[in-house]
Amino acid sequence: ETGVTQTPRHLVMGMTNKKSLKCEQHLGHNAMYWYKQSAKKPLELMFVYSLEERVENNSVPSRFSPECPNSSHLFLHLHTLQPEDSALYLCASSPAGRNTEAFFGQGTRLTVV
Amino acid sequence: SQQGEEDPQALSIQEGENATMNCSYKTSINNLQWYRQNSGRGLVHLILIRSNEREKHSGRLRVTLDTSKKSSSLLITASRAADTASYFCATQGAQKLVFGQGTRLTINP
Repeated sequence: ETGVTQTPRHLVMGMTNKKSLKCEQHLGHNAMYWYKQSAKKPLELMFVYSLEERVENNSVPSRFSPECPNSSHLFLHLHTLQPEDSALYLCASSPAGRNTEAFFGQGTRLTVV
Repeated sequence: SQQGEEDPQALSIQEGENATMNCSYKTSINNLQWYRQNSGRGLVHLILIRSNEREKHSGRLRVTLDTSKKSSSLLITASRAADTASYFCATQGAQKLVFGQGTRLTINP
């Protein structure tokens, strides 16, 4: 248990659906991240929030929309996804502005059908 | 890009042997970290080595960092079946933690 909780753990959605992934941490961290992990590819950094402000957006398609309402919660809103978006989506948190470790959630396994 | 590249991509050894994984990166960094991932699960932090450090130990883990060669190695001594997992290096610059593709380590009993 890392202190970072992701829900749901598994999600199957159609290409026309709208769904949201949730990430929650109560570690007192103020930086949160979304990563995408596809088979045989490196972890791709999607978004970084520091102090609730988005500081990184790695050319992610607009069908992925992040939201960080406070330093403990992070969402990833999904709409009109494609089958190639099927992957493990990992949330992580860390203290902002310091060189310390990141704590990862268990991930959401997303399948787009 | 600061992306680390691990070598080898896959490693299979006998229990009790030592496992060495290497990581190379491209730009200057603040620190380099190693993580472990069991199949389909989240990543777990193993060890962090700062750019001004050359070697660090944690239990059966030994990490080295050579900033002149932009490379790092992770040594796991006296491997156990439970060490079977994927291992990733990650380089950290300003606010970003960027991962490599990982090494898949299999320990055979």
